[in-house]
Amino acid sequence: DIVLTQSPGTLSLSPGERATLSCRASQSVSSSLAWYQQKPGQAPRLLIYDASSRATGIPDRFSGGGSGSDFTLTISSLEPEDFAVFYCQQYGRSPLTFGPGTKVDLK
Amino acid sequence: QVQLVESGGGVVQPGRSLRLSCAASGFSFRSYALHWVRQAPGKGLEWVAVISYDGSRINYADSVKGRFTISRDKSKNTLYLQMDSLRTEDTAVYYCARDSRTDAYNFDYFDFWGQGTLVTVSS
Repeated sequence: DIVLTQSPGTLSLSPGERATLSCRASQSVSSSLAWYQQKPGQAPRLLIYDASSRATGIPDRFSGGGSGSDFTLTISSLEPEDFAVFYCQQYGRSPLTFGPGTKVDLK
Repeated sequence: QVQLVESGGGVVQPGRSLRLSCAASGFSFRSYALHWVRQAPGKGLEWVAVISYDGSRINYADSVKGRFTISRDKSKNTLYLQMDSLRTEDTAVYYCARDSRTDAYNFDYFDFWGQGTLVTVSS
């Protein structure tokens, strides 16, 4: 199975700051990587697919990059509603796997 | 709009069974693969099972293989997860999620999710 490692585990930032989250795969998944945001008590929401394509309705402050084994999710300027847990997920190889998550919380 | 509504969760003793349902609406049910994904309390996401758009392809996570059965009923636009021989480690919120692809046997990312149903396995 492909193992996804996310770093950091927690990112403490203030509104207006830039957030950079990392996801590393144990083997190449090409561009078959998605990012999700999950707030407490809510289902995950798709943000990015195919490593860099924004899902419908996602603000352009969210951007994804990378390919192969190394990926990043960047939030250019944090809004109050952006504080949440973010998960990456690979679909390059079965079984589908998720990373353990990065929590972005208020500094 | 796309809606996925799970039901059937509850408290069950180890070794017993439970069946979850996911009622789908707002899209062509017979065109999309559907997944179950779970999340143990305070933990991350774990993919559980998938069924292809036509029901002909099914995959399971190793952790549930042989104990869980995924199925779908196109006449009712409903996805199911039959969970047998439940263990305490199966305690989680179970989400149904739609695969992004139509009419395909390769499974991708999840573009829509339900709100989840909580399953607690405890004596």
